[in-house]
Amino acid sequence: GAGVSQSPRYKVAKRGQDVALRCDPISGHVSLFWYQQALGQGPEFLTYFQNEAQLDKSGLPSDRFFAERPEGSVSTLKIQRTQQEDSAVYLCASSLANRGANEKLFFGSGTQLSVL
Amino acid sequence: AQSVAQPEDQVNVAEGNPLTVKCTYSVSGNPYLFWYVQYPNRGLQFLLKYITGDNLVKGSYGFEAEFNKSQTSFHLKKPSALVSDSALYFCAVSPSGGYQKVTFGIGTKLQVIP
Repeated sequence: GAGVSQSPRYKVAKRGQDVALRCDPISGHVSLFWYQQALGQGPEFLTYFQNEAQLDKSGLPSDRFFAERPEGSVSTLKIQRTQQEDSAVYLCASSLANRGANEKLFFGSGTQLSVL
Repeated sequence: AQSVAQPEDQVNVAEGNPLTVKCTYSVSGNPYLFWYVQYPNRGLQFLLKYITGDNLVKGSYGFEAEFNKSQTSFHLKKPSALVSDSALYFCAVSPSGGYQKVTFGIGTKLQVIP
């Protein structure tokens, strides 16, 4: 596709449910990032992939958060046993080079997660 | 740890006037600096970046930013604001050298008044 695609656009979950958020990066982009953006805040780093390798997961807030990119393209962010504090917009970004975030990032429109 | 400060929650400017959106940063070593813009219901879009070289960086839509190492600042500027520039602007920083994650500020809302 022409840009980074994220689905679903909106997700409502009951507390305790598991959710899976999908990111389709721009074809050929090596680097992929997940960010969490709470209301009125800037994006907070969650995790980084270079191809299929997860090189940095230091931003994942708890072991309920898990991300994968098994074939080096599509990525899934999974949140188990969702809590109200997980409510946020989850942004995916990709970049062409393997130098990671020093290159220009292309962002998707995000998935807005609301946990009730 | 690296950080970004955007001291103004909102900046209001009249159409046609120059605009400045402020950003200061803290990072170990030399910084890579970025500005991104976010329009309602859309993802962040890259505006410009400073890696090395000239302190004045030119980017998309007529925006520019000036890197000031002594003041650890990277203010975003535009000589003549347009109503369509109204959006949320994020400054971001990462340390130089290899992969380093990008840290974003909390954003500044720019309102251009017709």
